Amino acid sequence: DGGITQSPKYLFRKEGQNVTLSCEQNLNHDAMYWYRQDPGQGLRLIYYSQIVNDFQKGDIAEGYSVSREKKESFPLTVTSAQKNPTAFYLCASREQKFSGNTIYFGEGSWLTVV
Amino acid sequence: QKEVEQNSGPLSVPEGAIASLNCTYSDRGSQSFFWYRQYSGKSPELIMSIYSNGDKEDGRFTAQLNKASQYVSLLIRDSQPSDSATYLCAVVFSGGYNKLIFGAGTRLAVHP
Repeated sequence: DGGITQSPKYLFRKEGQNVTLSCEQNLNHDAMYWYRQDPGQGLRLIYYSQIVNDFQKGDIAEGYSVSREKKESFPLTVTSAQKNPTAFYLCASREQKFSGNTIYFGEGSWLTVV
Repeated sequence: QKEVEQNSGPLSVPEGAIASLNCTYSDRGSQSFFWYRQYSGKSPELIMSIYSNGDKEDGRFTAQLNKASQYVSLLIRDSQPSDSATYLCAVVFSGGYNKLIFGAGTRLAVHP
């Protein structure tokens, strides 16, 4: 089945450690996105990418990094520079068609600092 | 001004009533708009997309878009307790990079 797969679903990070969240899609979508959601809050854009080997900073990019070496993959690294990384992270992809746009979400990854 | 603004709520309506959710956006060039529903701890689920001015209906849901006023709304008719969730407005911004911005969401509570 086509869709977006995020892994791991739950992740614990120690202070000073970098961690990477995986996002893979088999929908052949060009655009991919990473969002962060804190309890009771909306989705805030971290990074997004329209094509392979190109990506743009979102509103809260500090302390995060991404790569887009393949169309189907858009991993997010939470670096030690991100001082408050505990949150729910969502990956999304988007198909742009003449008749409109369709956005798909992964099931999310919960990151907790221990 | 925030890029996409929504009232945080909670919006409380009785079962069977019409719930009205509103969203404004800052980019006059935006062309694509979406409403999502999100239950706590889950991924957002698409309710509707709208691209042209006017109304778009799908079952109990109606999305309304007014690009001149930079305003998009969602009406939920015959509200049910199962509609209780957070509703997110999302806008694709112009500028060539497909920047997709979400509002902070409006929490809806439908009480029996």
